[in-house]
Amino acid sequence: KAGVTQTPRYLIKTRGQQVTLSCSPISGHRSVSWYQQTPGQGLQFLFEYFSETQRNKGNFPGRFSGRQFSNSRSEMNVSTLELGDSALYLCASSLSGDVSWPNSPLHFGNGTRLTVT
Amino acid sequence: QKEVEQNSGPLSVPEGAIASLNCTYSDRVSQSFFWYRQYSGKSPELIMSIYSNGDKEDGRFTAQLNKASQYVSLLIRDSQPSDSATYLCAVNSGGSNYKLTFGKGTLLTVNP
Repeated sequence: KAGVTQTPRYLIKTRGQQVTLSCSPISGHRSVSWYQQTPGQGLQFLFEYFSETQRNKGNFPGRFSGRQFSNSRSEMNVSTLELGDSALYLCASSLSGDVSWPNSPLHFGNGTRLTVT
Repeated sequence: QKEVEQNSGPLSVPEGAIASLNCTYSDRVSQSFFWYRQYSGKSPELIMSIYSNGDKEDGRFTAQLNKASQYVSLLIRDSQPSDSATYLCAVNSGGSNYKLTFGKGTLLTVNP
């Protein structure tokens, strides 16, 4: 079974631009979460989607948005990029999105490394 | 602001020793706790999940949870060089849905 696939692996953008990152979850997984990882702040939760609905959102500005499609694939968008948005963006999928299910752990993709210059 | 604090590293242990990793959290209502391992340049992978007070063992790994003290720990017995990685403690704050708050991690080095 293929794992969580994130594209692209690397991105270089300029301040003020916008960027879209893509995530394909493991086949059959209906929950997709996004996290930002930086050396200073560590891993921080961005949002979680289940059946095309955003169920939770982290403490990020409105420039960060996401969506989930009917096939569970997800995209996140960052508008008006700032230097501080440089990070590794990780997507994770879960079968049910329910933390109490022992057979529904989070599986992380390899991430998209975004560099803003 | 819900916080997860891990003991500052790096932690260095000899091969075969027990490595002890600790974590405290601030959100008293949290019910789900996780330990992830992240190798350099790789994505996090789940090692253990724990939901009830007490110990949970899986092979060489034991997770311990004390909700009264808001404390979670991970013991790695018979540490191997392949265990060298950053260990991340995560606490769920999204009720039954995934919304993990991660600690900043402890870098473990196991010396042959």
